[in-house]
Amino acid sequence: SQTIHQWPATLVQPVGSPLSLECTVEGTSNPNLYWYRQAAGRGLQLLFYSVGIGQISSEVPQNLSASRPQDRQFILSSKKLLLSDSGFYLCAWSGGSANTGELFFGEGSRLTVL
Amino acid sequence: DQQVKQNSPSLSVQEGRISILNCDYTNSMFDYFLWYKKYPAEGPTFLISISSIKDKNEDGRFTVFLNKSAKHLSLHIVPSQPGDSAVYFCAASVWSGNTPLVFGKGTRLSVIA
Repeated sequence: SQTIHQWPATLVQPVGSPLSLECTVEGTSNPNLYWYRQAAGRGLQLLFYSVGIGQISSEVPQNLSASRPQDRQFILSSKKLLLSDSGFYLCAWSGGSANTGELFFGEGSRLTVL
Repeated sequence: DQQVKQNSPSLSVQEGRISILNCDYTNSMFDYFLWYKKYPAEGPTFLISISSIKDKNEDGRFTVFLNKSAKHLSLHIVPSQPGDSAVYFCAASVWSGNTPLVFGKGTRLSVIA
């Protein structure tokens, strides 16, 4: 069966510090991978998605970036965090060898920027 | 420009009664719709879906209705239980487009015992 894990679960970082959130998927190949952010009053905001290694589409221009160094690994980064980057970040996958059209989410990472 | 809209940020329903959550969309290319349920500090989990070739899909206490002409779908929960209290997200996509799901802003359902 397929599983998705993201870490860390909770992160408190000062403004201006770097960020790295990591996500891995097991049990499927060639998944589409996504980073979402849930902020108050804004629902689930798509940040980045990837249909393959090294292929990243950015939905929202900001100081965040994403990378996909391996087929089942997706990383969300920032060189310098802003207060407005605080939120609940969700990694998700879809498609791959078990395409049912659904999106499967990780457990989420709570980021607080102080 | 929001392509998927959930106009009710919150809804309170008594236990045992019906909960109806609504969702509207603007993109006529959407042909696959999903509902997700989310508890605090957890990732959303898939609840039920419907493709545009149907107007109703039922799974236990959960039924989704699709009105393509009105670009409207709704999720019915009968009977509502306290454990159903969560945020519900409506999502839509173009099945063949390999494009990301577009989510609404969510509706917080509170089921009162």
